[in-house]
Amino acid sequence: QVQLVQSGAEVKKPGASVKVSCKASGYTFATYGVTWVRQAPGQGLEWMGWISPYNGKTNYAQKLQGRVTMTTDTSTSTAYMELRSLRSDDTAVYHCVRGGMNGMDVWGQGTTVTVSS
Amino acid sequence: QSVLTQPPSVSGAPGQRVTISCTGSSSNIGAGYDAHWYQQLPGIAPKLLIYGNGNRPSGVPDRFSCAKSGTSASLAITGLQAEDEADYYCQSYDSSLSAVVFGGGTKLTVL
Repeated sequence: QVQLVQSGAEVKKPGASVKVSCKASGYTFATYGVTWVRQAPGQGLEWMGWISPYNGKTNYAQKLQGRVTMTTDTSTSTAYMELRSLRSDDTAVYHCVRGGMNGMDVWGQGTTVTVSS
Repeated sequence: QSVLTQPPSVSGAPGQRVTISCTGSSSNIGAGYDAHWYQQLPGIAPKLLIYGNGNRPSGVPDRFSCAKSGTSASLAITGLQAEDEADYYCQSYDSSLSAVVFGGGTKLTVL
């Protein structure tokens, strides 16, 4: 079946970086974009950005520009999201999702990232 | 504050019909970009409920439908059931921001 499986929970100190992985299976990885969405505790969904595994094209949320990098490895059907200079307000559940502006149909299980000193 | 505005909460009794609004602007829904809808049950990842022009993924009952008019969209749920109690989010694309945008979410309570 089509699924996205993400890496495990992370605890980081302020100023550190985190890299979350998202392994796709059950479909041709290169034919669908991958979106990253995060959800802070008790808050709504926040779009972080999108990457095309086909050509590596990216589109990042303006507020994260300069701190976030999204990449893919088509040989392993894996997407990565790295967030740098972590702050306490980056504490959230991070989801990778298949799709983009035209709807997102398959969600990863989520990776909890906790930023705390 | 979100680019797309949703009511924080709605409620209804079992069997009733409820609607959830999603108000945008001329750079997103009003520009012709579709509104998509997601359901998030407590503690789990969101699930795509409706996409495009009212399309439902396999397994989503036809009790869920959507509408769009001008700069707004809405989700309608008929024959309300206890299992529908969840958070609902609308999503579109904003051409001014060149970004995907979400509504702030609406908590549906089944009385």
